[in-house]
Amino acid sequence: DVKVTQSSRYLVKRTGEKVFLECVQDMDHENMFWYRQDPGLGLRLIYFSYDVKMKEKGDIPEGYSVSREKKERFSLILESASTNQTSMYLCASSSGQGTQAFFGQGTRLTVV
Amino acid sequence: GIQVEQSPPDLILQEGANSTLRCNFSDSVNNLQWFHQNPWGQLINLFYIPSGTKQNGRLSATTVATERYSLLYISSSQTTDSGVYFCAASPYFGNEKLTFGTGTRLTIIP
Repeated sequence: DVKVTQSSRYLVKRTGEKVFLECVQDMDHENMFWYRQDPGLGLRLIYFSYDVKMKEKGDIPEGYSVSREKKERFSLILESASTNQTSMYLCASSSGQGTQAFFGQGTRLTVV
Repeated sequence: GIQVEQSPPDLILQEGANSTLRCNFSDSVNNLQWFHQNPWGQLINLFYIPSGTKQNGRLSATTVATERYSLLYISSSQTTDSGVYFCAASPYFGNEKLTFGTGTRLTIIP
């Protein structure tokens, strides 16, 4: 079975802190994604990576950056956390064009 | 980009009833998936179905790609079917970004 693992289930950070959310997949997938989920807004794509060191902005990249130094790991970075970044963050991976995506368990981030 | 719309937004049914959830999409797709989000937030894969029909137990799905819609059927609903169901799609011509609908919240009453 494909496994996508996010490093934390719950996280509480202070405003202004630099925050790292980590995601690891074990199926040698080319594509990896970061989404955030907010009530009433569904899932919105933050960033997408289609290969090591390659990335594309999603629909809401402002305030975020990403890093993919190894194929299996995709990190989401909040450079200076703000309260409006309090949300559920979901990581996903897929093997290529037109293939099934698999999601991690999610990280519920609270910025105080 | 591709638009994905789901209906209805909310559905409340008695246990044992059948339900149909709909997903409309605005472009040709090479990926169409249905997910169930459990109470802990995990997205569970139900179907990968860019076209055709699939069945898995009490659940089945049909995608009519030429008419740009997909349907998720749940028969003999159980309380454990409650939760939010999402449809997501990526366009046939383009990159792999999966765009999600806003979901259908299904509540099954005992």
